[in-house]
Amino acid sequence: GENVEQHPSTLSVQEGDSAVIKCTYSDSASNYFPWYKQELGKGPQLIIDIRSNVGEKKDQRIAVTLNKTAKHFSLHITETQPEDSAVYFCAAHSGGGADGLTFGKGTHLIIQP
Amino acid sequence: DAGITQSPRHKVTETGTPVTLRCHQTENHRYMYWYRQDPGHGLRLIHYSYGVKDTDKGEVSDGYSVSRSKTEDFLLTLESATSSQTSVYFCAISETFEQAFFGQGTRLTVV
Repeated sequence: GENVEQHPSTLSVQEGDSAVIKCTYSDSASNYFPWYKQELGKGPQLIIDIRSNVGEKKDQRIAVTLNKTAKHFSLHITETQPEDSAVYFCAAHSGGGADGLTFGKGTHLIIQP
Repeated sequence: DAGITQSPRHKVTETGTPVTLRCHQTENHRYMYWYRQDPGHGLRLIHYSYGVKDTDKGEVSDGYSVSRSKTEDFLLTLESATSSQTSVYFCAISETFEQAFFGQGTRLTVV
């Protein structure tokens, strides 16, 4: 089955700087890659996603890049703000099946004032 | 939260007792999922459903069963709770089995 590795487990950046979180996946059939943000005591919230026919996607301060050849994808957050502090999860889904997402173990992003 | 309600939100139960968690959706989405979240493991799929009475096992299904008798409800049952099932349980729904939306979670403690 699919295996998703996520790094780093903790990331501390100064407010206003950029943050990058990286994930790799093992199943070359995977074709959908979402990112979730989870705040303390809440459920994961979908913030951006990318499909395998696209190399990059942006939404305001958030961007995701995908390298299918290398089987890795990354989340980029620019001009970080205190409200960006949370745990971020990457995930992958193999095409054609209803069998859910495989998640990375998460990155705790800390924005230092 | 995309019209998803999990109940109860918190539960403490004793080892060996049966427990049922409920997920209710108002979005009429076809796919429903149960995940558990544990420190150091991220989110892991327990069971999923692709329609009424259509369910299948996920990565960590041992000790759990599910039922879906209506589109809007997906029940997760721990037949005989064990301490290893202490966790936070999340329900998710999806229309296309891609974009999944999560509920607020149920914190279960087995003592």
